[in-house]
Amino acid sequence: AQKITQTQPGMFVQEKEAVTLDCTYDTSDQSYGLFWYKQPSSGEMIFLIYQGSYDEQNATEGRYSLNFQKARKSANLVISASQLGDSAMYFCAMREALFGGSEKLVFGKGTKLTVNP
Amino acid sequence: DAGITQSPRHKVTETGTPVTLRCHQTENHRYMYWYRQDPGHGLRLIHYSYGVKDTDKGEVSDGYSVSRSKTEDFLLTLESATSSQTSVYFCAISESSGTLNTEAFFGQGTRLTVV
Repeated sequence: AQKITQTQPGMFVQEKEAVTLDCTYDTSDQSYGLFWYKQPSSGEMIFLIYQGSYDEQNATEGRYSLNFQKARKSANLVISASQLGDSAMYFCAMREALFGGSEKLVFGKGTKLTVNP
Repeated sequence: DAGITQSPRHKVTETGTPVTLRCHQTENHRYMYWYRQDPGHGLRLIHYSYGVKDTDKGEVSDGYSVSRSKTEDFLLTLESATSSQTSVYFCAISESSGTLNTEAFFGQGTRLTVV
């Protein structure tokens, strides 16, 4: 079963506007972590923001915020005041603790964001 | 930047040949992961390791094997390369925090082409 679902293959936004990238997840665990990564055209993976399953406040990092709705199992990324440099692929990921103390990190298929001038 | 190096960065190989990709870290992180990235599929987990000689399969492990004989090295082997294994391969590392809040750091990727 797919653990992370990103339903928007591509999104377009005007410069200086806000945009929301959707992410839903599937887990029966009570303890997990949710991450967002950015991958520009150069290919590197850049960590943006983290949300823990027990965190009561939504995470924020500069222009990035995470709209965490635990009951809906969603962890949407909000980018405020979009900039041209925000054009990239964005991946949602979930880290789960497994039996025996190991952990696994799985990713969604990604959303390609294009910021128009 | 996290000390994580993938080698080679680019490789072209023939169908049926074995191929080994190397991931080397200088961070002493416990967890190491191998992903492949293909258009429309995002990053898919191939194998991961949670310690020396401790490895487990991810969602797309068929045709791949891994080994971790030292903390710093995680090898991915394609036993007999096929064209469907043409992809960009990423290695990632992360530390264990107990609270799952440590991000993973990625290597620069290896572009593998099987002809």
